Amino acid sequence: NAGVTQTPKFQVLKTGQSMTLQCAQDMNHNSMYWYRQDPGMGLRLIYYSASEGTTDKGEVPNGYNVSRLNKREFSLRLESAAPSQTSVYFCASSEWVGREQYFGPGTRLTVT
Amino acid sequence: DAKTTQPPSMDCAEGRAANLPCNHSTISGNEYVYWYRQIHSQGPQYIIHGLKNNETNEMASLIITEDRKSSTLILPHATLRDTAVYYCIVRSNAYSGAGSYQLTFGKGTKLSVIP
Repeated sequence: NAGVTQTPKFQVLKTGQSMTLQCAQDMNHNSMYWYRQDPGMGLRLIYYSASEGTTDKGEVPNGYNVSRLNKREFSLRLESAAPSQTSVYFCASSEWVGREQYFGPGTRLTVT
Repeated sequence: DAKTTQPPSMDCAEGRAANLPCNHSTISGNEYVYWYRQIHSQGPQYIIHGLKNNETNEMASLIITEDRKSSTLILPHATLRDTAVYYCIVRSNAYSGAGSYQLTFGKGTKLSVIP
């Protein structure tokens, strides 16, 4: 039981490049989330998926898109990376929205 | 969500119990108390939650006062691996708009376990 896994662990992009962050959970959870964490800013919700087939914007969705591929997988895409998107990205899942969330190890992204 | 107040830092000797307090005097009847921690450079980790009864799991115990205005997280035998920032969060499990799904972490308590 790996919990929540994220790939890659580290990534460096040049401004304007695109990439997809992958997240998978093996806990049969219905809800999944993408957060970013910047120094001194705490966690900010980018997008979430309350259940398979649905996605909704969080607090800071601009510049990102998401896909709930199936119940297990929830990906985050940066279409045209900007230096302001340099951050640590965490994926999380919960049995249902509002329940306790379980986090992955994070992806450290640097955009130069 | 109700606001919480935690001390910015605490020390605890290895092997002793760590008692982390949290004040949440404006908590409402349908709001739960959640505890998470974040070890440096790792993802946040769920620890425990409760509504009004004391709770215990394999990681910790949660003691909630009768008036629910404060709580204490207890790590019974702290180890060096428990050094982390601990966050007390008060939130309802009911849907109240998209923002209700976001976990709002305050500044938390930085717990240092001393050898």
